[in-house]
Amino acid sequence: DGGITQSPKYLFRKEGQNVTLSCEQNLNHDAMYWYRQDPGQGLRLIYYSQIVNDFQKGDIAEGYSVSREKKESFPLTVTSAQKNPTAFYLCASTETGQGYEKLFFGSGTQLSVL
Amino acid sequence: GQNIDQPTEMTATEGAIVQINCTYQTSGFNGLFWYQQHAGEAPTFLSYNVLDGLEEKGRFSSFLSRSKGYSYLLLKELQMKDSASYLCAVVDSNYQLIWGAGTKLIIKP
Repeated sequence: DGGITQSPKYLFRKEGQNVTLSCEQNLNHDAMYWYRQDPGQGLRLIYYSQIVNDFQKGDIAEGYSVSREKKESFPLTVTSAQKNPTAFYLCASTETGQGYEKLFFGSGTQLSVL
Repeated sequence: GQNIDQPTEMTATEGAIVQINCTYQTSGFNGLFWYQQHAGEAPTFLSYNVLDGLEEKGRFSSFLSRSKGYSYLLLKELQMKDSASYLCAVVDSNYQLIWGAGTKLIIKP
């Protein structure tokens, strides 16, 4: 079955540490996205990519970095510069990156600070 | 600024009908999505409305009024598995998605 796989499900970060969240899709979608979900707030876009080797900042990119070396993969690194990283992180994809396309989401990674 | 409003939480009884409202003020409009999200899981697509009116899909229906900046999701014959959060999202004039905070729906037996 096609879908999006995120790992790990739970992740703990120590102060000053960088951590990387994995996102892989086998839907052959061009566009991939990273969202942050906090209680009581709407999803906020961190980064998105519409093509391999290209990505754009979303609304809250500071303290995060991404890469898109392969169409299937879009890992997110939460750097030590992100002072409040505790949140639920969702990876998603769409077929071509048009705003009216429905999103396919991974099952999420809960990141917590030790 | 851009704003999406949804009730924070609603409670309904198994077998009943519930309507979850979403009002929006955005720079332009290119469609409205509803997603369902069970706790700790991925949101899943429910509906997309771009024209005014009601669209029915099984037990779920979604309504849109662009002139009023208003949409609702109607769930009929509620089942316990419908306990989830329901997310409203609007596509603005730049084809960016603006998300509401979601409505947590609690179903009681």
